[in-house]
Amino acid sequence: DVKVTQSSRYLVKRTGEKVFLECVQDMDHENMFWYRQDPGLGLRLIYFSYDVKMKEKGDIPEGYSVSREKKERFSLILESASTNQTSMYLCASSVGPRYSGYTFGSGTRLTVV
Amino acid sequence: GNSVTQMEGPVTLSEEAFLTINCTYTATGYPSLFWYVQYPGEGLQLLLKATKADDKGSNKGFEATYRKETTSFHLEKGSVQVSDSAVYFCALKKETSGSRLTFGEGTQLTVNP
Repeated sequence: DVKVTQSSRYLVKRTGEKVFLECVQDMDHENMFWYRQDPGLGLRLIYFSYDVKMKEKGDIPEGYSVSREKKERFSLILESASTNQTSMYLCASSVGPRYSGYTFGSGTRLTVV
Repeated sequence: GNSVTQMEGPVTLSEEAFLTINCTYTATGYPSLFWYVQYPGEGLQLLLKATKADDKGSNKGFEATYRKETTSFHLEKGSVQVSDSAVYFCALKKETSGSRLTFGEGTQLTVNP
């Protein structure tokens, strides 16, 4: 089975800190995605990547950046964490270039205090 | 732009009751439609999909029919079980958006014994 592993299940950070959320997939998928999940808002796309060193903005990229130096790893970076970034963050991957189904990680619940 | 609207939750049912979760969408062209399920503490999993009008997706007793005339993709199950308790997400993918999905708000379903 394809696995998407997010490095932390729960994370607590202070306002202004630089935060790294890591995501690793083990099945050579080309596409990787970062979503945030908030009650009543569903999943909103932050950034995605179709290839190594490639990134594209999603619907809510402000306050975030990403890095994809290796095919299997897609990192989400909060340059200066703020309380409104408290959320559940979900990473997903899929085989590209045509859609073939997402595999999601279990999520990282980030609290910014 | 693209959007997906789900019925407001949460939904609470007794075991063996009939389930309907409404989903309508806004998109040009002929998007593909999906239902994802998120069990407690887990990532999202693909439940079923339909890629063209009048297609019916089905899995684990759940069904949804792609209705282009009403731009809907309602999820149904004839007899729910306690193990169906989860959050259900409707999603769409436009033909021209690569692998990118747009999700609805999610509907929390609780099934009581």
